[in-house]
Amino acid sequence: DVQMTQSPSSLSASVGDRVTITCRASHDLVRRLAWYQQKPGKAPKLLIYRVSTLESGVPSRFIGSESGTEFTLTISGLQPEDFATYYCQQAYTFPWTFGQGTKVEIK
Amino acid sequence: QITLKESGPTLVKPTQTLTLTCSFSGFSLSRSGAGVGWIRQPPGKALEWLGLILWDDGKHYSPSLKSRLTISKDTSKNQVVLTMTNVDPVDTATYYCARTYDSSGYPHAFNIWGQGTLVTVSS
Repeated sequence: DVQMTQSPSSLSASVGDRVTITCRASHDLVRRLAWYQQKPGKAPKLLIYRVSTLESGVPSRFIGSESGTEFTLTISGLQPEDFATYYCQQAYTFPWTFGQGTKVEIK
Repeated sequence: QITLKESGPTLVKPTQTLTLTCSFSGFSLSRSGAGVGWIRQPPGKALEWLGLILWDDGKHYSPSLKSRLTISKDTSKNQVVLTMTNVDPVDTATYYCARTYDSSGYPHAFNIWGQGTLVTVSS
């Protein structure tokens, strides 16, 4: 299985801050990496797929990037509605796997 | 508009078999590149990928649960069914079904999710 190591597990930030979340894969994913946002009591929502492609309707402050087997989700200018838990997910090979999640809380 | 909705029992006894149905609309699971997956989330914990069924009836399962899981589809009814045998309290979770699709024929992300259904395993 491809292991996804996501960090940090939680972070505190203020509105307007730049936030960075990282996922490290145990294998090259050939760009098959997605990011999801989940708010309490709700289903996850796809934000980014293929490392850096924004899903339709997702604000441009969400930016995905990669460096080798390290993948980064950057929120450039945190908004009140962005406080949530974020997950990465690899789809390079089965079984698809999720990271452990990063909870973004209000400072 | 694409929608998915999970249905099934909210309470199951240990050792019993859990059957969940994902009813969907707005897309065809016969279309090349389409798939429906199952993901679960124990209370307060992370997402766990359970399995996926593809347009060509290809099926993939989590290795840790493979012996207990079966995913099937009824394309005419627009439904996907998840069966989990011999459930245990650790299987208590919100179960989601979600749609994946890519025109290349290699789906890679879940772009539409159901609302989820909480299943509790308890005697």
